[in-house]
Amino acid sequence: SQQGEEDPQALSIQEGENATMNCSYKTSINNLQWYRQNSGRGLVHLILIRSNEREKHSGRLRVTLDTSKKSSSLLITASRAADTASYFCATDPGISNFGNEKLTFGTGTRLTIIP
Amino acid sequence: DAGVIQSPRHEVTEMGQEVTLRCKPISGHNSLFWYRQTMMRGLELLIYFNNNVPIDDSGMPEDRFSAKMPNASFSTLKIQPSEPRDSAVYFCASSLRRSTYEQYFGPGTRLTVT
Repeated sequence: SQQGEEDPQALSIQEGENATMNCSYKTSINNLQWYRQNSGRGLVHLILIRSNEREKHSGRLRVTLDTSKKSSSLLITASRAADTASYFCATDPGISNFGNEKLTFGTGTRLTIIP
Repeated sequence: DAGVIQSPRHEVTEMGQEVTLRCKPISGHNSLFWYRQTMMRGLELLIYFNNNVPIDDSGMPEDRFSAKMPNASFSTLKIQPSEPRDSAVYFCASSLRRSTYEQYFGPGTRLTVT
């Protein structure tokens, strides 16, 4: 099963509103990453948050991490039409899985910004 | 940097034919990944390499799939023989140093097997 599960699966909001997506995971992690995928394109890395961090900002993006609840959220403020895309979280198991380190991607949230 | 380069971008082939997908990672990146994406199964990791050595191929669905990385700047994913259920978008990604650093994805190859 997927390590990361995004919620909701799909989200539609008006341009200018804030969009929040959540990610839950099952096992301990070293870091958690968020990626964006525009239709027909490859994934693009957005932000990485380490297990000892609680919050991180990058432009209009704000990511939080709660390791006690094994969850993360991605907030996009003042959304724009260009933010329409699918958003994936990916978890890094860290050195506990030494020698076989690989990211596990979630199922994604499909975000639609209505102009 | 040109980013991760994949070829071809689109491939349409008949069932039973051999398909070879190609990838050139970003120069200096030591890890390379092959993913498959479908609506039904989402994004699946097929295999990844560290320093040209295959580390984990547990995601390769069947013996019909094989991957090679003969040098640091080139990798192939081969399907022989191809089947309609192999139809998907195949992505190659590369990463600097440790395999779980941020990954840079190529544009993908859309494979259709009829």
